[in-house]
Amino acid sequence: GAVVSQHPSWVICKSGTSVKIECRSLDFQATTMFWYRQFPKQSLMLMATSNEGSKATYEQGVEKDKFLINHASLTLSTLTVTSAHPEDSSFYICSARDPLRGSSGYTFGSGTRLTVV
Amino acid sequence: QQQVKQSPQSLIVQKGGISIINCAYENTAFDYFPWYQQFPGKGPALLIAIRPDVSEKKEGRFTISFNKSAKQFSLHIMDSQPGDSATYFCAAGMNSGYSTLTFGKGTMLLVSP
Repeated sequence: GAVVSQHPSWVICKSGTSVKIECRSLDFQATTMFWYRQFPKQSLMLMATSNEGSKATYEQGVEKDKFLINHASLTLSTLTVTSAHPEDSSFYICSARDPLRGSSGYTFGSGTRLTVV
Repeated sequence: QQQVKQSPQSLIVQKGGISIINCAYENTAFDYFPWYQQFPGKGPALLIAIRPDVSEKKEGRFTISFNKSAKQFSLHIMDSQPGDSATYFCAAGMNSGYSTLTFGKGTMLLVSP
């Protein structure tokens, strides 16, 4: 089955530093990847849609300069949280879509717990 | 409107009982309705999914019932076990371009021993 690897699973960083989270589709090519943020006891909130070779599309209210998304290859998308602050602490989840599977082609990563101290 | 409404927000069921979670959608363009199970600190995992051309799908103890005319679908967990305690999300998707899944707000299920 389709597998998406997300790394790291957890990270602690100091306020003001940047953190990069990687999302890889291991056995399929993902033309589109999605980044979500999830607060405790809440649903997944879509942050941005990342298309290979082009700029990401950000949802309203998501700061493009703070959450840098790069989708340089068909199997890798990265989310960089720049100048992180404690309010950026959250659970970040990526998803990759296999275009060959149509609407059922979504696979999620295992998530990254970011704690900014 | 791209919205999926899920209820209840939380649910407590005794071991061996039936857990029922309901979802309703508005956009008739949706053609894929998955349910995800999420444990604390983990990403959501696909549990079971259905397409609108069938009214029911069963996989083991998990069943999706789908009512196209009412634009509703539900998850039934038979013989609920403590290990089923998790958060469940319904979602809806469509086979168009770069659209993502639209998620319900989630249901926290607790199965008491």
